[in-house]
Amino acid sequence: SQTIHQWPATLVQPVGSPLSLECTVEGTSNPNLYWYRQAAGRGLQLLFYSVGIGQISSEVPQNLSASRPQDRQFILSSKKLLLSDSGFYLCAWSRPAAHEQYFGPGTRLTVT
Amino acid sequence: TQLLEQSPQFLSIQEGENLTVYCNSSSVFSSLQWYRQEPGEGPVLLVTVVTGGEVKKLKRLTFQFGDARKDSSLHITAAQPGDTGLYLCAGAGGGGADGLTFGKGTHLIIQP
Repeated sequence: SQTIHQWPATLVQPVGSPLSLECTVEGTSNPNLYWYRQAAGRGLQLLFYSVGIGQISSEVPQNLSASRPQDRQFILSSKKLLLSDSGFYLCAWSRPAAHEQYFGPGTRLTVT
Repeated sequence: TQLLEQSPQFLSIQEGENLTVYCNSSSVFSSLQWYRQEPGEGPVLLVTVVTGGEVKKLKRLTFQFGDARKDSSLHITAAQPGDTGLYLCAGAGGGGADGLTFGKGTHLIIQP
């Protein structure tokens, strides 16, 4: 069976500090990978998606970047966090060309 | 930009009652997913509907996709406290690589 992990589960960081959130998937190969942000009352916003190693598509201009150094590893980064980066960050995977997405447990980021 | 409007935003009812929540858009989707999310956790996939007019049942939950594939509904019969959560609908366009377009969700509380 497939599992998806995210860490850390919670993070409190000061404004201007760097960020690295990690997501890994087990039990499947060549998944599509996604990063979403969920702010209170605003639903889920797609940030990045990837169809393969080193292939990243960005949906919105922002202070964040993503990388996929390995087939089942997806990293969300920032060089300098802003207050507006606070939120609940969710990683998801899907099989290639499939509609269903499966979400990780999320990371709660608070920028102070 | 594809938008999904969910209604109602909040719903609080007594155990044993029936309810319907709606997901509407002016855009056509190739498929639509329903998720349930509990506080502090990632969304969990409930169902995917693909064909216009399709109806799927999951125990006491009935999902319907509109004939024009622009809207969907979720009906819960004899609601139970365990049904409490945030219900999200998400639409997928053509191609499997893109992320999903999410509605803001319906916060459902079932009071015992």
